[in-house]
Amino acid sequence: GQQVMQIPQYQHVQEGEDFTTYCNSSTTLSNIQWYKQRPGGHPVFLIQLVKSGEVKKQKRLTFQFGEAKKNSSLHITATQTTDVGTYFCAGGDSGAGSYQLTFGKGTKLSVIP
Amino acid sequence: DTAVSQTPKYLVTQMGNDKSIKCEQNLGHDTMYWYKQDSKKFLKIMFSYNNKELIINETVPNRFSPKSPDKAHLNLHINSLELGDSAVYFCASSHTTNEQFFGPGTRLTVL
Repeated sequence: GQQVMQIPQYQHVQEGEDFTTYCNSSTTLSNIQWYKQRPGGHPVFLIQLVKSGEVKKQKRLTFQFGEAKKNSSLHITATQTTDVGTYFCAGGDSGAGSYQLTFGKGTKLSVIP
Repeated sequence: DTAVSQTPKYLVTQMGNDKSIKCEQNLGHDTMYWYKQDSKKFLKIMFSYNNKELIINETVPNRFSPKSPDKAHLNLHINSLELGDSAVYFCASSHTTNEQFFGPGTRLTVL
């Protein structure tokens, strides 16, 4: 079955430093979604990428979808304490006839003030 | 108004008991899901329902059974609870393959 690997599992950064999390799929994806889960909260949708090589920005967050549609990254510039949480990628696959979204294991970001 | 709601928020019960978790969405979405998040925060899809049809059924024990009385509800019934069932269970909904909206979660503790 489809596997989505995400690294690193944990990342501790000083406030103001940049942060990147990477996602790799064992299969070509239809789309990729990113979610953020604050401590004690539920996953909240951030963005969806569909096109090969797509790059989208949301303020200090930059999302990329690889040319082969098998990998993706989320980059945060100049982290703030409000960025704390776990970031999940989720790969969408329509190859088996029905759509399936598989979540990576997430990257837990800690920001040291 | 809450988009996706779950009840109860916390559930503490003994091994062997049967329990249900309810989920409702008021977004008019056509697909609803149940996820299990373990202590390591790994989110694993359990079930999804599209227009009252089960379209994904991961290899979860048959003690878990989803029930969808209508498009806005997807309840999760668990028989003969085991210690390993302790986790946070999230309900979610979406319109086809678009973004998923998650409920606040139900923290299940089996003693």
